[in-house]
Amino acid sequence: SQQGEEDPQALSIQEGENATMNCSYKTSINNLQWYRQNSGRGLVHLILIRSNEREKHSGRLRVTLDTSKKSSSLLITASRAADTASYFCATDERGNKLVFGAGTILRVKS
Amino acid sequence: NAGVMQNPRHLVRRRGQEARLRCSPMKGHSHVYWYRQLPEEGLKFMVYLQKENIIDESGMPKERFSAEFPKEGPSILRIQQVVRGDSAAYFCASSPGTGTFNTEAFFGQGTRLTVV
Repeated sequence: SQQGEEDPQALSIQEGENATMNCSYKTSINNLQWYRQNSGRGLVHLILIRSNEREKHSGRLRVTLDTSKKSSSLLITASRAADTASYFCATDERGNKLVFGAGTILRVKS
Repeated sequence: NAGVMQNPRHLVRRRGQEARLRCSPMKGHSHVYWYRQLPEEGLKFMVYLQKENIIDESGMPKERFSAEFPKEGPSILRIQQVVRGDSAAYFCASSPGTGTFNTEAFFGQGTRLTVV
């Protein structure tokens, strides 16, 4: 079953702008993670937020989690061309495995 | 400490042949996960293994696909009698694992399987 669903599917912005991606999920979770994938490459972990946390920062990344709405958002501030990638949220379904959404394709134009 | 190593990076097989994909987890990690990614899609869970045990294979097709993680050596994802629909990128991830996924997973660079 697909747990996380990202929105929008694709996002195109100018360098320097902020990018916001959203993720919704269906069941209760222990944590939610965001990953980045550059074209043709493996996934790189960005940030993990636990179910008892509401917001977390890491550099230019800000993640929020609303467990009542079963949703999360990833904000990338002051975007750069190098941020161009696909971004996936993943939730821990029954603690056994990470279940990924379909991802948001971000394109940052310089 | 080398990361998760997958090989080969690219694999071409003719229909009906067998594909064997290998994954060496990070040092000290005893939990391995296999995912499949079709073009323009997210990662679909296939199987979760610990050493010598399959913990969750709910994402594995019932036929032609098998996985193992022996006591010694890499984890192997085996696809018998490949068909064109098996063409995809296959990713392996590892974690130290305690039965709860409360830490990040470390992914390999993937094996891109093309069936011709």
